[in-house]
Amino acid sequence: NAGVTQTPKFQVLKTGQSMTLQCAQDMNHEYMSWYRQDPGMGLRLIHYSVGAGITDQGEVPNGYNVSRSTTEDFPLRLLSAAPSQTSVYFCASSWGRGGQPQHFGDGTRLSIL
Amino acid sequence: TQLLEQSPQFLSIQEGENLTVYCNSSSVFSSLQWYRQEPGEGPVLLVTVVTGGEVKKLKRLTFQFGDARKDSSLHITAAQPGDTGLYLCARLGNQGGKLIFGQGTELSVKP
Repeated sequence: NAGVTQTPKFQVLKTGQSMTLQCAQDMNHEYMSWYRQDPGMGLRLIHYSVGAGITDQGEVPNGYNVSRSTTEDFPLRLLSAAPSQTSVYFCASSWGRGGQPQHFGDGTRLSIL
Repeated sequence: TQLLEQSPQFLSIQEGENLTVYCNSSSVFSSLQWYRQEPGEGPVLLVTVVTGGEVKKLKRLTFQFGDARKDSSLHITAAQPGDTGLYLCARLGNQGGKLIFGQGTELSVKP
């Protein structure tokens, strides 16, 4: 089983550029989420989705957009990259509608110059 | 507040030593999850504790949920270099659907 797959693994952007981080899961999980991880700050929730067509904001949603057109995919869009968005981004999924143990991808390491 | 405070933030010990990591909140939570993250990978669930006073064991790891359900601890006996990693606790937020993580404890076990 692939589990949760994130692409790309590494990316360098210039300030102002836009890009989409891809996330796909093959476990038919209803719940998917995006986190960013910065040193000493644990994981902070950006956006989450409890099913296709339903998304909601987490703790740090500004500068990011999401959509959920299928159960499997949950892309994260950076509209206009800023250096403060340099981070490691993790996608996760779980059964149920939130609060269940999360299955994480291996992360996307993003640098904004 | 829904914040989770983990301590210590960093821990460097020698192989064979014992250690305890703490996860505390000022509010009651219904359950708590512990994860371990190795460099370059995503976090992996170790255990979920749901009942006040509950103790769960996973080989050399012992997890405890406080009686008042405001705190939890992870105790590792005879630590090994393979235990090195970032240990994270997480709880369900009061508004539902959101899992809130502590800032993590970075453990280094030297041979």
